[in-house]
Amino acid sequence: DTGVSQNPRHKITKRGQNVTFRCDPISEHNRLYWYRQTLGQGPEFLTYFQNEAQLEKSRLLSDRFSAERPKGSFSTLEIQRTEQGDSAMYLCASSPRPQGGLYGYTFGSGTRLTVV
Amino acid sequence: QQQVKQSPQSLIVQKGGISIINCAYENTAFDYFPWYQQFPGKGPALLIAIRPDVSEKKEGRFTISFNKSAKQFSLHIMDSQPGDSATYFCAASGYSGYSTLTFGKGTMLLVSP
Repeated sequence: DTGVSQNPRHKITKRGQNVTFRCDPISEHNRLYWYRQTLGQGPEFLTYFQNEAQLEKSRLLSDRFSAERPKGSFSTLEIQRTEQGDSAMYLCASSPRPQGGLYGYTFGSGTRLTVV
Repeated sequence: QQQVKQSPQSLIVQKGGISIINCAYENTAFDYFPWYQQFPGKGPALLIAIRPDVSEKKEGRFTISFNKSAKQFSLHIMDSQPGDSATYFCAASGYSGYSTLTFGKGTMLLVSP
């Protein structure tokens, strides 16, 4: 396990279709985060899980978005009825349980979504 | 609203020069200030991070300077190299980083040979 894995890397979909992305975090990391990054901007927080519990959701996460992390392992992010404004890079990150010191997220390479 | 303001938007530095990127924050509850480096098509990678109980942290050619009273922090890249050309993001969070991150908008650095 060398890092956070995201699939697919790229997704092109027609407006109105549903899409699902998958994230496999580093195995010993108990927290998993989803961020969205649009061109020329920094990543924006969407939601995060501690084990299988979804602890926080951003106001950016509309009702069309849903995320799951069954059994506290991989996570999926689903967007229903996609809109052109959903076009962005969707980044997943994981972080370890606190052991003192500073905690850096490890990000995956992201899934780039293009809605046409 | 939690915000982290980053400047400049873009920066061109000659090889061997010093690159300086600045950030300012508003939320005094922030206690973890990382810098991330991002290459095209890749996710951000943690470069260096600091807590507000120290004013400076150095790792190799990268240094964070932190001014708690001004609520500002900066990244200095010494002896900049063409391989440092990337987008740099400052960020901030609470709980020593075991929390959500608020990112700046990024600085696109180009180091000319």
